[in-house]
Amino acid sequence: KAGVTQTPRYLIKTRGQQVTLSCSPISGHRSVSWYQQTPGQGLQFLFEYFSETQRNKGNFPGRFSGRQFSNSRSEMNVSTLELGDSALYLCASRGQITNEKLFFGSGTQLSVL
Amino acid sequence: AQKITQTQPGMFVQEKEAVTLDCTYDTSDPSYGLFWYKQPSSGEMIFLIYQGSYDQQNATEGRYSLNFQKARKSANLVISASQLGDSAMYFCAMSTNNAGNMLTFGGGTRLMVKP
Repeated sequence: KAGVTQTPRYLIKTRGQQVTLSCSPISGHRSVSWYQQTPGQGLQFLFEYFSETQRNKGNFPGRFSGRQFSNSRSEMNVSTLELGDSALYLCASRGQITNEKLFFGSGTQLSVL
Repeated sequence: AQKITQTQPGMFVQEKEAVTLDCTYDTSDPSYGLFWYKQPSSGEMIFLIYQGSYDQQNATEGRYSLNFQKARKSANLVISASQLGDSAMYFCAMSTNNAGNMLTFGGGTRLMVKP
């Protein structure tokens, strides 16, 4: 079974631009969640999607948004990028059982200049 | 609200020795899950071990075991026979029924294995 796939692996943007990151979950997984990892704030939950519906959202500004498609693939978008958005963005998928383990992708390293 | 605390920012261990990474948690939800993940320098989070709040026995997965002390709200990871490839960041995390599938992570512990 293929793991969680995130593209691109690295991304460099400038302030004010917008960016879209992509995540393909493990086959059969319908839940996809996104996390931001920075040296200062650690790992923080962004949002979770299940069957194309946002089920849970972390404490991030509205510039951070996401969506999920019918094939469970997910995208997250960050508009009007700020320097502080530089981070490793991790996507994770899981099955339907609550408290089931999350499988993570390798992440997208975003640098905002 | 959920909280995970990892008090060891960094640790050294001699190759082939055992090491314990500390994790304490706080939640008012009686149903929760505790996870340990390993993050090597490549960035990927690798699942190591899981313990459910109602599990009677401590979880084990190969060289990894979880020392679950519910009354103390601790979930320490024990790595036996450390290998050089174990050098990485280790994160303790928790999910609760009330929080759905959201994981709350601790700050992590950097483990360095000495040859």
